[in-house]
Amino acid sequence: QKEVEQDPGPLSVPEGAIVSLNCTYSNSAFQYFMWYRQYSRKGPELLMYTYSSGNKEDGRFTAQVDKSSKYISLFIRDSQPSDSATYLCAMSAYSSASKIIFGSGTRLSIRP
Amino acid sequence: DTEVTQTPKHLVMGMTNKKSLKCEQHMGHRAMYWYKQKAKKPPELMFVYSYEKLSINESVPSRFSPECPNSSLLNLHLHALQPEDSALYLCASSQGGDPDEQFFGPGTRLTVL
Repeated sequence: QKEVEQDPGPLSVPEGAIVSLNCTYSNSAFQYFMWYRQYSRKGPELLMYTYSSGNKEDGRFTAQVDKSSKYISLFIRDSQPSDSATYLCAMSAYSSASKIIFGSGTRLSIRP
Repeated sequence: DTEVTQTPKHLVMGMTNKKSLKCEQHMGHRAMYWYKQKAKKPPELMFVYSYEKLSINESVPSRFSPECPNSSLLNLHLHALQPEDSALYLCASSQGGDPDEQFFGPGTRLTVL
């Protein structure tokens, strides 16, 4: 069993839809949770970083962490074609200069 | 300056060549990382430097040799690579505190012939 499981998609939704991306994990030591967006042939871009259960909102993005269920989500409201990318969840057990474990990434396409 | 820069953008090398990848950040970050990413796969950690000292080596073959000359600069020296080493090599940096967000550069796309 992988430490982090993420549905690879692809996921295709119409513009304006609410997108829900999810990851599950098995290692209860994970304390820090991230979502990265990666456009084709570019480096990953950090979207959200959280270290507690609950919700964190930033503009159109909401990250949700449920440590009891070992489940994290990223919601994108009012999705735009420019949101089309691969979304990677990531997590780590420690904070400073530590190893991040990435999910396999979900390819998202927003149809105009 | 809020970005991580990497040079070169693209590199093609033969199996007998020696080359180096360069990464630079001017955000005052104290931790720097090398990742390898194959097509349609997530990044995989190779090395971590914390305060200019190597703190994590993920059992990377010795044909990859990292170097951290100062807190802003990270190099990856390449020698006698194999075609399967062709990938996107990503550098990242972070403050080194708690919490510790890692910011990635654009990567160097390496092709080994």
